[in-house]
Amino acid sequence: DTGVSQDPRHKITKRGQNVTFRCDPISEHNRLYWYRQTLGQGPEFLTYFQNEAQLEKSRLLSDRFSAERPKGSFSTLEIQRTEQGDSAMYLCASRRASGRAGDNEQFFGPGTRLTVL
Amino acid sequence: ELKVEQNPLFLSMQEGKNYTIYCNYSTTSDRLYWYRQDPGKSLESLFVLLSNGAVKQEGRLMASLDTKARLSTLHITAAVHDLSATYFCAVDGNTDKLIFGTGTRLQVFP
Repeated sequence: DTGVSQDPRHKITKRGQNVTFRCDPISEHNRLYWYRQTLGQGPEFLTYFQNEAQLEKSRLLSDRFSAERPKGSFSTLEIQRTEQGDSAMYLCASRRASGRAGDNEQFFGPGTRLTVL
Repeated sequence: ELKVEQNPLFLSMQEGKNYTIYCNYSTTSDRLYWYRQDPGKSLESLFVLLSNGAVKQEGRLMASLDTKARLSTLHITAAVHDLSATYFCAVDGNTDKLIFGTGTRLQVFP
């Protein structure tokens, strides 16, 4: 399977704990995106990378959130001191930035569902 | 700030009927995307519309884009139960991030 993969698929944690999620993009894709989706809402942009450079962060990404893509391949999203409001589906997407309009499509992974008790 | 609105938010329709979902957005965007999401699942790409007047069809679904009106439509023809899902439109405002609509939850009943 050459699609976007995410791990874990589900995470249950207690308030105050730290959690880390991983995303492996499609191998030739140099752009990687993180989104958050709460129940009944559309996904909201969090941040994105081109290769290893983090190019934009949403104001939704508080100081407790940090994302990395150290080698320009997989990415991690860490949430420190989790709060109940962090409970959501965290989606990763990737695409190839080639300048061609047809490469603008983002392909989404299966998501990590986080539940904070 | 780019905003995307969909209507209706919820659509219950009988099998065999036709209906249209509307997606309006607030600022310039030459590209618009439609996704499908089943409960508890991720997003499945349906259509990528890259220019004004673009029309794409796949099975019982047809999507169109009017960039001047900042409007896209997703038309459902002769609905079947398998189309039951939540449908999202998204635009990128000619930037690198997607802004999603609130979604339209479609339920098709016999």
